[in-house]
Amino acid sequence: AQTVTQSQPEMSVQEAETVTLSCTYDTSESDYYLFWYKQPPSRQMILVIRQEAYKQQNATENRFSVNFQKAAKSFSLKISDSQLGDAAMYFCAYGGNTPLVFGKGTRLSVIA
Amino acid sequence: DTGVSQDPRHKITKRGQNVTFRCDPISEHNRLYWYRQTLGQGPEFLTYFQNEAQLEKSRLLSDRFSAERPKGSFSTLEIQRTEQGDSAMYLCASSWPGVDTQYFGPGTRLTVL
Repeated sequence: AQTVTQSQPEMSVQEAETVTLSCTYDTSESDYYLFWYKQPPSRQMILVIRQEAYKQQNATENRFSVNFQKAAKSFSLKISDSQLGDAAMYFCAYGGNTPLVFGKGTRLSVIA
Repeated sequence: DTGVSQDPRHKITKRGQNVTFRCDPISEHNRLYWYRQTLGQGPEFLTYFQNEAQLEKSRLLSDRFSAERPKGSFSTLEIQRTEQGDSAMYLCASSWPGVDTQYFGPGTRLTVL
């Protein structure tokens, strides 16, 4: 069974600085997808970024980028120029046309 | 595209009562997923549908839980004889055919007293 591990329960970052959230996963599949979702307090979960495992190029979406290391089964999220609105729970998830497997999440605080 | 909607947003019930939640997916999304999220945890898969067919159920889905998607559009999740351990956020997500990305609704927060 696939598992997803987020080893940082909480992180904090100064506004305008850069922060990296870690995620590792375990799977025996060769073709899959990885996702980062953001869940602001009392608000719904939204997709931040997705990565297709067969693509070597790391995905980027504006200030968000990933470092995907397939052999190491690592999938970290980098947030550049952090903003107050980035404060949220961030979940790493594994899947793709199947039910998602989520990590326990990292709570990100942004300090003004 | 109005997004995934869920109703009600909050439900408080007494132990032993039955509750039913509804999820309306994004139109033309043929896959619909139910997840449960307890405080401080990531969502956990419960069950999912492709059109009206229920394709998979998690072991988390005890026999007190039942889900339907009768016409391949909206879905309902019913919990019978609720227990305090059922208190959680119930999330619904949907996706297009053959597309990996799931879009989530706002969730239904259930509190069992």
